[in-house]
Amino acid sequence: EDQVTQSPEALRLQEGESSSLNCSYTVSGLRGLFWYRQDPGKGPEFLFTLYSAGEEKEKERLKATLTKKESFLHITAPKPEDSATYLCAVRYGGATNKLIFGTGTLLAVQP
Amino acid sequence: DGGITQSPKYLFRKEGQNVTLSCEQNLNHDAMYWYRQDPGQGLRLIYYSQIVNDFQKGDIAEGYSVSREKKESFPLTVTSAQKNPTAFYLCASSTSGPNSGNTIYFGEGSWLTVV
Repeated sequence: EDQVTQSPEALRLQEGESSSLNCSYTVSGLRGLFWYRQDPGKGPEFLFTLYSAGEEKEKERLKATLTKKESFLHITAPKPEDSATYLCAVRYGGATNKLIFGTGTLLAVQP
Repeated sequence: DGGITQSPKYLFRKEGQNVTLSCEQNLNHDAMYWYRQDPGQGLRLIYYSQIVNDFQKGDIAEGYSVSREKKESFPLTVTSAQKNPTAFYLCASSTSGPNSGNTIYFGEGSWLTVV
């Protein structure tokens, strides 16, 4: 079954404590993997798109990496304003070009 | 500023009523989408449209209807046939094309509550 699984479901960090969020997928014909940040009551904000294994992208304290089976979102020296839910989505398939979302990781960074 | 505008932000519906959620984008995107978000579940696709005057059902289309008369607009009607409509609704858009990993951009969402 095609699916996207994010772990952990929730993560609590101290300010400055680096960590990683995981997004594993079992689909065929990957066309793109997307990371979003979602604040409570708001729409997801686009962060990164990764297209092929080995690709990496960075933005401020965030770095996304991609392998053939999973993606990691590394958060270096997080600040309280990094607290949010981080969503992963995978686009795959041929003509159908489907997109499925994981359920997200709720990140809380304490000062 | 370019973006996706959803309205209203909050909407209350009585049992048996139809309600329409508005979505407008000025990104010049061909494709538009409606998703539903419920606690503990991933976003689920309701309807999508890749071009004006054409749209396709997503995974949970029952009880919903859409129209795409203009490139910029993709309104969603939640009909009385939708048994559990209370949710957070997200409109999104992207450039079109079946052979690319087009990034989807989202609006700010609309909360619908049945009272």
